[in-house]
Amino acid sequence: GQQLNQSPQSMFIQEGEDVSMNCTSSSIFNTWLWYKQDPGEGPVLLIALYKAGELTSNGRLTAQFGITRKDSFLNISASIPSDVGIYFCAGRPTSGTYKYIFGTGTRLKVLA
Amino acid sequence: DSGVTQTPKHLITATGQRVTLRCSPRSGDLSVYWYQQSLDQGLQFLIHYYNGEERAKGNILERFSAQQFPDLHSELNLSSLELGDSALYFCASSVGADNTEAFFGQGTRLTVV
Repeated sequence: GQQLNQSPQSMFIQEGEDVSMNCTSSSIFNTWLWYKQDPGEGPVLLIALYKAGELTSNGRLTAQFGITRKDSFLNISASIPSDVGIYFCAGRPTSGTYKYIFGTGTRLKVLA
Repeated sequence: DSGVTQTPKHLITATGQRVTLRCSPRSGDLSVYWYQQSLDQGLQFLIHYYNGEERAKGNILERFSAQQFPDLHSELNLSSLELGDSALYFCASSVGADNTEAFFGQGTRLTVV
């Protein structure tokens, strides 16, 4: 099935460092979502973006809807051990479908 | 706890068999979505039901079917199972037909042997 290009695939960082990850697509999207999935759990919605250029924060997390509408970025500031998990982006094409296309995930590991 | 309940949590079955996965949405949610997550993969959208009616189909195989009942719970039926069907199957629910604010269950891990 169709998937977004999400990078990096995985990353190890030191506690306290900032983290950046992104998602790109060849299609234009009208909505971008960022989820976090902990082991053995379902994804939990972190941030939803609805307009090109939109910048939205949720605590230490900040996400942006790219101007081209083909990409999105997620930043985590001052990472802590509980940030460990898999972060997924999801996008909805402008064709009016309610189907979301998910990225392959960024696996984050934080070293204390 | 998201409020979305999926049963069973784990299921091991043999190739060729048929299984039924169950999802109870959050109270008040009319939409149910089913996703498949294979090992180290993102989520693949399978199907969406809203208030008992099918609203959208994704990459759902013909061997798979789903329905949403009058009490809004949903079942995903997987038949003629193959080894490649082993995956986590998630259900999500939302109030409306737009799943932007969808909440996911904990998933059913299906292992086909």
